[in-house]
Amino acid sequence: DVKVTQSSRYLVKRTGEKVFLECVQDMDHENMFWYRQDPGLGLRLIYFSYDVKMKEKGDIPEGYSVSREKKERFSLILESASTNQTSMYLCASSPQSGSSYEQYFGPGTRLTVT
Amino acid sequence: LAKTTQPISMDSYEGQEVNITCSHNNIATNDYITWYQQFPSQGPRFIIQGYKTKVTNEVASLFIPADRKSSTLSLPRVSLSDTAVYYCLVGPPGYSSASKIIFGSGTRLSIRP
Repeated sequence: DVKVTQSSRYLVKRTGEKVFLECVQDMDHENMFWYRQDPGLGLRLIYFSYDVKMKEKGDIPEGYSVSREKKERFSLILESASTNQTSMYLCASSPQSGSSYEQYFGPGTRLTVT
Repeated sequence: LAKTTQPISMDSYEGQEVNITCSHNNIATNDYITWYQQFPSQGPRFIIQGYKTKVTNEVASLFIPADRKSSTLSLPRVSLSDTAVYYCLVGPPGYSSASKIIFGSGTRLSIRP
């Protein structure tokens, strides 16, 4: 089974802090994704990476950056956390062959910024 | 990518068959239709994907009419554990479209005893 793990299930940070969310997948997938999920808004794509050191902006990249130094690891960085970044953050991966719509998700990190 | 429309919520009872329909009038020739399931406090889980006619796996069936402007996810004999949000996605395969995936708000399915 594909396994996608995220570094924390729950995280509480203060406004202005730099926050790192880590995601690791064990299936050698080329594609990795970061989403945030908010009530009534569904899942929104923040950033996407299709290869090591490659990244593309999603729908809502403002206030976020990403890093992919190794194929299995994709990090989401909140440079200066703000209260409007309180959300559930979901990481996913998928193989590059076949349909990119078959994504495998991690359990999520619920981030609260106070 | 094609916009999708699905009901906000549905209710059913244990043992019933549940059908969730998704409209995608602007589906393109090379688009696939994919469904995900999400339980509370978990990430979405891929259920099924199809291009035309019917696809069946151990979890669900997907019915796609000839014009492909809609699709129906069918869950046979549901149980309480099928209570979840179900998302319909439409788009072409390949990594170039991955950054354009839209999950939307999904259909909240509630199963009662």
